[in-house]
Amino acid sequence: DGGITQSPKYLFRKEGQNVTLSCEQNLNHDAMYWYRQDPGQGLRLIYYSQIVNDFQKGDIAEGYSVSREKKESFPLTVTSAQKNPTAFYLCASSIELAGGGYEQYFGPGTRLTVT
Amino acid sequence: GQNIDQPTEMTATEGAIVQINCTYQTSGFNGLFWYQQHAGEAPTFLSYNVLDGLEEKGRFSSFLSRSKGYSYLLLKELQMKDSASYLCAVPSGGYNKLIFGAGTRLAVHP
Repeated sequence: DGGITQSPKYLFRKEGQNVTLSCEQNLNHDAMYWYRQDPGQGLRLIYYSQIVNDFQKGDIAEGYSVSREKKESFPLTVTSAQKNPTAFYLCASSIELAGGGYEQYFGPGTRLTVT
Repeated sequence: GQNIDQPTEMTATEGAIVQINCTYQTSGFNGLFWYQQHAGEAPTFLSYNVLDGLEEKGRFSSFLSRSKGYSYLLLKELQMKDSASYLCAVPSGGYNKLIFGAGTRLAVHP
């Protein structure tokens, strides 16, 4: 089955450690995204990539880094510089719709807790 | 810039109809999306409106008025499993970035 996978579902880290969240898709989508969701809030865009070897900062990129070496993979590193890293992280990829919009497909998410 | 407003919470009774409103301000309009998100899970696509009017898809319908910057999601014959957050989103900048509203948490009770 085609889809987006994120692992692990739950991740615990000590403050001061970098941690990398994985995101893999086999949908053959060009564009991929990372969002952060905090309780009672909507999704906020961290980074996005429209094509391999290219990515752009979203609205809250500080303290995060990404790479896009393969079309299928878009890992996110949460660095020790991120002041409040505990959150639910969602990865997505997108396909163009008739009418010009892009529908985003989401992975199951990784809940990161930093103590 | 972009701004999206939705009510924070709504409650409704099983079998009833509920309308979830969304107002938006955007510099250039490229359609409006509705997503459903159950607690702790990923959002799933419900609808995409690019033209004015009502689009029906089973128990769910979505309406758009571009001149008013307004959309609503209509859920009919509510079921307990419809208890979830409903997110309104509009493209930002390029076609393939989305700005999401904070979501409306719907609780369906017997």
